[in-house]
Amino acid sequence: AQSVSQHNHHVILSEAASLELGCNYSYGGTVNLFWYVQYPGQHLQLLLKYFSGDPLVKGIKGFEAEFIKSKFSFNLRKPSVQWSDTAEYFCAVNAASNSGYALNFGKGTSLLVTP
Amino acid sequence: DSGVTQTPKHLITATGQRVTLRCSPRSGDLSVYWYQQSLDQGLQFLIQYYNGEERAKGNILERFSAQQFPDLHSELNLSSLELGDSALYFCASSVTSRFEETQYFGPGTRLLVL
Repeated sequence: AQSVSQHNHHVILSEAASLELGCNYSYGGTVNLFWYVQYPGQHLQLLLKYFSGDPLVKGIKGFEAEFIKSKFSFNLRKPSVQWSDTAEYFCAVNAASNSGYALNFGKGTSLLVTP
Repeated sequence: DSGVTQTPKHLITATGQRVTLRCSPRSGDLSVYWYQQSLDQGLQFLIQYYNGEERAKGNILERFSAQQFPDLHSELNLSSLELGDSALYFCASSVTSRFEETQYFGPGTRLLVL
């Protein structure tokens, strides 16, 4: 079955620590990949996206992600987190084989950054 | 602010009732998607409309329906509400319905069914 898996449900880091959130998907064929962030009480905001080209994608607020096709992965990274990065992070995929190209989301990772 | 608006922000109702959630897409966007976010199911796609016509269906219950009007705003109708329908309902919009497009999300409507 088609799915998106985020390995870590809850992550707690100290400020300035490095972050890596895992995302794997099980779709065949061509996919687009996204990371969205949901700050407390706010709507989903796009962090970054991969459509094609350079598999290392840079997004807003110092985030980046690497698409590794052979591993069906799209992990999110940030070298040094800040308290303001505390939020829920969602990996999402849409597949060329799906009509309408709706997003399929992982369960999310809740990140807490402590001062 | 994504430019997508949703009303109301919060809705409290009773089981068996019917409610309507409203979404206005970003200016110029023709496509509207509805998603449900619940603690147990996570974020799930419900339905998509493109320029007034239904384009794709996801895990939408028969008690739920939607439409997109000529001014491109969309409404999600939820009827015969059950406790399990309590969730955050998001709408998202995109310019068209092509594969390589970004969806922009609204602030959501939080529905509580008592």
